[in-house]
Amino acid sequence: GENVEQHPSTLSVQEGDSAVIKCTYSDSASNYFPWYKQELGKGPQLIIDIRSNVGEKKDQRIAVTLNKTAKHFSLHITETQPEDSAVYFCAASISDKLIFGTGTRLQVFP
Amino acid sequence: GAGVSQTPSNKVTEKGKYVELRCDPISGHTALYWYRQSLGQGPEFLIYFQGTGAADDSGLPNDRFFAVRPEGSVSTLKIQRTERGDSAVYLCASSSTSGTGELFFGEGSRLTVL
Repeated sequence: GENVEQHPSTLSVQEGDSAVIKCTYSDSASNYFPWYKQELGKGPQLIIDIRSNVGEKKDQRIAVTLNKTAKHFSLHITETQPEDSAVYFCAASISDKLIFGTGTRLQVFP
Repeated sequence: GAGVSQTPSNKVTEKGKYVELRCDPISGHTALYWYRQSLGQGPEFLIYFQGTGAADDSGLPNDRFFAVRPEGSVSTLKIQRTERGDSAVYLCASSSTSGTGELFFGEGSRLTVL
């Protein structure tokens, strides 16, 4: 079945710096790759997604890139702010379900 | 509008007891998912409903776990003979599509088995 690996597990940055989180997946049939943000005590919330026919997508300070050949995709957050501090999960869709990575705890220091 | 509602938010039980966790999805969402999240881990897929039927239950860890969605709306996750290893946050999500659309998650039910 699909396996999603995510790195790093923790990431600390200074406010205003950029943050990059990387994921790899195993099943070439996966065609949808969302990113979710989870704050303490809350359920995950979608922040951006990308489909397999697109290589890059941007939404304000957040961008996602996809390399289908290499089976990896990345989340880029620019001009980080303290409110970006949370746990971020990548996911890959296979057979109508999402398989999640293990998460990255991002801390943005003022 | 109302989001996905899960009850109870916290459940403490003793080893061997039976537990039911309830999920009330967003109105009109036909797809409903159950995930389990252990501390420091990503959500782990358990089961997926399309309407009333379980379209994929491949993530249920064993036959102590069962889920129903009899009228295509509210779903109940049932765990028999609970074990300490079942302790986790159980997340429910709903979607207007399946697989390649946004999942709307509830806040989860935290289960602690003593």
